[in-house]
Amino acid sequence: AQKVTQAQTEISVVEKEDVTLDCVYETRDTTYYLFWYKQPPSGELVFLIRRNSFDEQNEISGRYSWNFQKSTSSFNFTITASQVVDSAVYFCALSEVGVSGGSNYKLTFGKGTLLTVNP
Amino acid sequence: SAVISQKPSRDICQRGTSLTIQCQVDSQVTMMFWYRQQPGQSLTLIATANQGSEATYESGFVIDKFPISRPNLTFSTLTVSNMSPEDSSIYLCSVRGLVLGGLGTEAFFGQGTRLTVV
Repeated sequence: AQKVTQAQTEISVVEKEDVTLDCVYETRDTTYYLFWYKQPPSGELVFLIRRNSFDEQNEISGRYSWNFQKSTSSFNFTITASQVVDSAVYFCALSEVGVSGGSNYKLTFGKGTLLTVNP
Repeated sequence: SAVISQKPSRDICQRGTSLTIQCQVDSQVTMMFWYRQQPGQSLTLIATANQGSEATYESGFVIDKFPISRPNLTFSTLTVSNMSPEDSSIYLCSVRGLVLGGLGTEAFFGQGTRLTVV
């Protein structure tokens, strides 16, 4: 069975601080996808990134960066120079790939981390 | 990315009644899913909406309580039947896999339906 653990329930930082959100996953599959989503107070789920299990290159997108470590089954998310608008719940999720190429499978979500960025 | 329109965005319903939530996508997609997010909780998959056939339900969810339709590749509905206060949640539609290509394995979500049962 797949499992995603986000051990940090809540994090509070002051604007301009860097913050890292942890994500640890469990799966018996050798190939899989990992995702991060942002859910602001309005409730919609905003897609941030998808990462294949066979691509361990770290990724940077503006102030966001992701560190994928297959050896430790972790896919951590760092926000550099945080801003008040970053305040949201962040979810890490895991999906199988399967013989059809990966788009046919449900996502298993972690419990989410509530990030509050104070001015 | 696919544009997903979910209606209604929110509703307050009386217990014992039913509510049907609609999910419309601007492109044909392979897979459509329905998730539930109870207050302060993570997302849990209710079912996979299968085009032209019965939905595939996850453990703990049944068709009588959550009937689902998917008449084509761009539209699905979820009905929450005989509602009780415990059904108060956000219900989200999710899509994966553009039929005409380009979406790949991304999973996108509608804006959600915030349901309160009184």
